Amino acid sequence: QVQLVESGGGVVQPGRSLRLSCAASGFTFSSYAMHWVRQAPGKGLEWVAILSYDGGNKYYADSVKGQFTISRDNSKKMLYLQMNNLRGEDTAVYYCARGMYSYGSGSPDYWGQGTLVTVSS
Amino acid sequence: QSALTQPPSASGSPGQSVTISCTGTSSDFGGYNYVSWYQQHPGKAPKLMIFEVSKRPSGVPDRFSGSKSGNTASLTVSGLQVEDEADYYCISYAGSNKWVFGGGTKLTVV
Repeated sequence: QVQLVESGGGVVQPGRSLRLSCAASGFTFSSYAMHWVRQAPGKGLEWVAILSYDGGNKYYADSVKGQFTISRDNSKKMLYLQMNNLRGEDTAVYYCARGMYSYGSGSPDYWGQGTLVTVSS
Repeated sequence: QSALTQPPSASGSPGQSVTISCTGTSSDFGGYNYVSWYQQHPGKAPKLMIFEVSKRPSGVPDRFSGSKSGNTASLTVSGLQVEDEADYYCISYAGSNKWVFGGGTKLTVV
């Protein structure tokens, strides 16, 4: 069965960096686009980024463009989110999710359980 | 990218039907039929309930249905059950490989 497990969250000071990881199993990872979605405490879902199956095409929400970088290692079945210059408003649970297709037109279908990132001094 | 507009709350009694709307602009929906709906129980990850406007993933009860007219998509839950009480979110492909969520609707089964 499809399984996505995020890691790397924690408490980080404003202005610092953090890298999230997502380990995939149960499907052909290299055939699917992957999303990152976040949810601030008590708030709704916010789409963050998407990466095509081969890592060649990446797109970001305006709120994180230039600050976050999505990447993947298909040989390791891993998805990453490098987050730089973190701010309080980046505090959220970060979910990785599989896209339904290999490129950007597929919405997330399977989701991980999320990892909490808290930006605080 | 502005969030799609959903009512903050909706409610119904067991056995009744309830419809949740999701409204955007033409640029949000962009003429695409890539609208999905998610159910999220407290402390849990979202679960895909409807994709591409009206398709149901395997395992989702047929009590859940989706539709779209113009710039408004809708999720209808028929024969409400207590376990349907949750937050529901729509998402739409907004073109240029970007996606936008609705603000979410808290469904209460009273």
